[in-house]
Amino acid sequence: EVQLVESGGGLVQPGGSLRLSCAASGFTFSSYWMTWVRQAPGKGLEWVANIKQDGSEKNYVDSVKGRFTISRDNAKNSLYLQMNSLRAEDTAVYYCARDPTGVSQPNYGMDVWGQGTTVTVSS
Amino acid sequence: QSVLTQPPSVSGAPGQRVTISCTGSSSNIGANYDVHWYQQLPGTAPKLLIYGNSNRPSGVPDRFSGSKSGTSASLAITGLQAEDEADYYCQSYDSSLSAVVFGGGTKLTVL
Repeated sequence: EVQLVESGGGLVQPGGSLRLSCAASGFTFSSYWMTWVRQAPGKGLEWVANIKQDGSEKNYVDSVKGRFTISRDNAKNSLYLQMNSLRAEDTAVYYCARDPTGVSQPNYGMDVWGQGTTVTVSS
Repeated sequence: QSVLTQPPSVSGAPGQRVTISCTGSSSNIGANYDVHWYQQLPGTAPKLLIYGNSNRPSGVPDRFSGSKSGTSASLAITGLQAEDEADYYCQSYDSSLSAVVFGGGTKLTVL
């Protein structure tokens, strides 16, 4: 079964750090772009970052550039999001998603999603 | 304010047809970037509903269809069912922002 399982969320103070993980199973992880998407409480979806199959290309939404770092370990079938200098507005459910085509066209969208992990930034 | 504009809500009775619009610009949908649609049932993760403007992943009923024209895209749902009540999001790529972008989402209510 194709599956993504996020972990690492929690309560953190403003200015603090957190590292999210996403464990992939049931597919060849190293063959896919991977993406982080977040959803603030009661709000819509926001793309956060994505990473190419070999980690050679990474893209970020402007609001997290310089604070968040996306990475992957293909040997461990895992995706990560290192979040530093956290702000209240980073409070959200963070989803990892499989992305067959990344930024290429034609594009196939994000076809597999995890259940999400909750990050709360508050003092 | 989302780069892609969707109506906040739509509604319809069981069996009816509804459409959800997604309006972009010349730097995203109008630049011929593909549009995808996601369904998010209450309390669950999003699910890919339509990819590449009009393609359905395996397992998605043919009651759901997508189209794209100019700087806009649309999701149509025919034969509305109670289980279709959910939030729907469009998604594309914006070349000016060099970023993946989502619409603000549309809440579908089945009356």
